[in-house]
Amino acid sequence: GQQVMQIPQYQHVQEGEDFTTYCNSSTTLSNIQWYKQRPGGHPVFLIQLVKSGEVKKQKRLTFQFGEAKKNSSLHITATQTTDVGTYFCAGPPGTSGTYKYIFGTGTRLKVLA
Amino acid sequence: NAGVTQTPKFQVLKTGQSMTLQCAQDMNHNSMYWYRQDPGMGLRLIYYSASEGTTDKGEVPNGYNVSRLNKREFSLRLESAAPSQTSVYFCASISGGNTGELFFGEGSRLTVL
Repeated sequence: GQQVMQIPQYQHVQEGEDFTTYCNSSTTLSNIQWYKQRPGGHPVFLIQLVKSGEVKKQKRLTFQFGEAKKNSSLHITATQTTDVGTYFCAGPPGTSGTYKYIFGTGTRLKVLA
Repeated sequence: NAGVTQTPKFQVLKTGQSMTLQCAQDMNHNSMYWYRQDPGMGLRLIYYSASEGTTDKGEVPNGYNVSRLNKREFSLRLESAAPSQTSVYFCASISGGNTGELFFGEGSRLTVL
């Protein structure tokens, strides 16, 4: 079945440093979504990428979708303590009509002030 | 708007007991999902319902049953709870198709003794 891995599993950074998490799927994805989960909270949608090679920015966050639609990355510039949480990628496989959203293993970010 | 509502928020069961987790959404979404999240782990898909009247297995369906009661409600049943089912359960919904934002409930924390 479809597997979605993320690296690294954990990342501790000093406030102001950059952070990147990588997402790799065993199958082609129809689209890729990114979610953030604060400690004790529920996942909250950040963004969706649909097109091969797509790049989107949200303030300090940059998201990329790979050319083969099997991988993605999230880059945070100049981290802040508010960035603390676990970041998940998710997406349904590329088969038409599939609604099976599989989540990546997640990257837990800790920002040290 | 309440969004996605899950009940109960907390539950303690003894091994072998049964229970049903309830989920309701008021956003007129077509597709609904049940995930489980173990401590420090990612989200694993248990079952999903692409539309009213349909349900499909996810990554970890064993030991669970679901019912899509109507468009609003999607319940998850544990027939004979086991300690391995101790987890936080999240319900989510999406407006339709295999694209769009997943909206999550606050989660139901289940402990099986």
